[in-house]
Amino acid sequence: GAGVSQSPSNKVTEKGKDVELRCDPISGHTALYWYRQSLGQGLEFLIYFQGNSAPDKSGLPSDRFSAERTGGSVSTLTIQRTQQEDSAVYLCASSLRSGGAAYNEQFFGPGTRLTVL
Amino acid sequence: AQSVSQHNHHVILSEAASLELGCNYSYGGTVNLFWYVQYPGQHLQLLLKYFSGDPLVKGIKGFEAEFIKSKFSFNLRKPSVQWSDTAEYFCAVHSGNTGKLIFGQGTTLQVKP
Repeated sequence: GAGVSQSPSNKVTEKGKDVELRCDPISGHTALYWYRQSLGQGLEFLIYFQGNSAPDKSGLPSDRFSAERTGGSVSTLTIQRTQQEDSAVYLCASSLRSGGAAYNEQFFGPGTRLTVL
Repeated sequence: AQSVSQHNHHVILSEAASLELGCNYSYGGTVNLFWYVQYPGQHLQLLLKYFSGDPLVKGIKGFEAEFIKSKFSFNLRKPSVQWSDTAEYFCAVHSGNTGKLIFGQGTTLQVKP
């Protein structure tokens, strides 16, 4: 079956513009996670969804970052008034359910490379 | 807060050499531990995981890792590396009950043919 998909694969934007990054999880996966991979910071957790609700937003770096998930499926990560330090690869992962059980393997998408000029 | 540290940032080996990548985590309670790999141009994929039971875990492509609770370690090993193992390797731990992952900084492995 299809894996996690993300779009766009690459996004170049100017400082101050808003961007939207999309994630399509594996069908039937109820848990969805966003991570950010940047030089010097490694892989950082941003936000977690269980269904359409986000019980853990602790990794969002500022109030310029927001995310939503609709229909228990597609998720959009929005960055407002982008800054150069937002440049990174944004990764999405999904798992069958949430929690720390052995069957909850997270499957990662290919990521969106965001470059803020 | 939980944290994960990987000791080696960049490792260069010749083919057939043995590999050991270090990983230490901070949390002293029950932990779920993972190694992920990212091959050039590909997305992150799971190499192996430890939840409970036998502390020696075997994964794909001949990799294994040993969970040593007393040392808070989960080192990755492979007896004989191949050029195709060139990739970035990440150690990670589940944090809290949401299943979110806390990653180490990653180790870039370069295998020379």
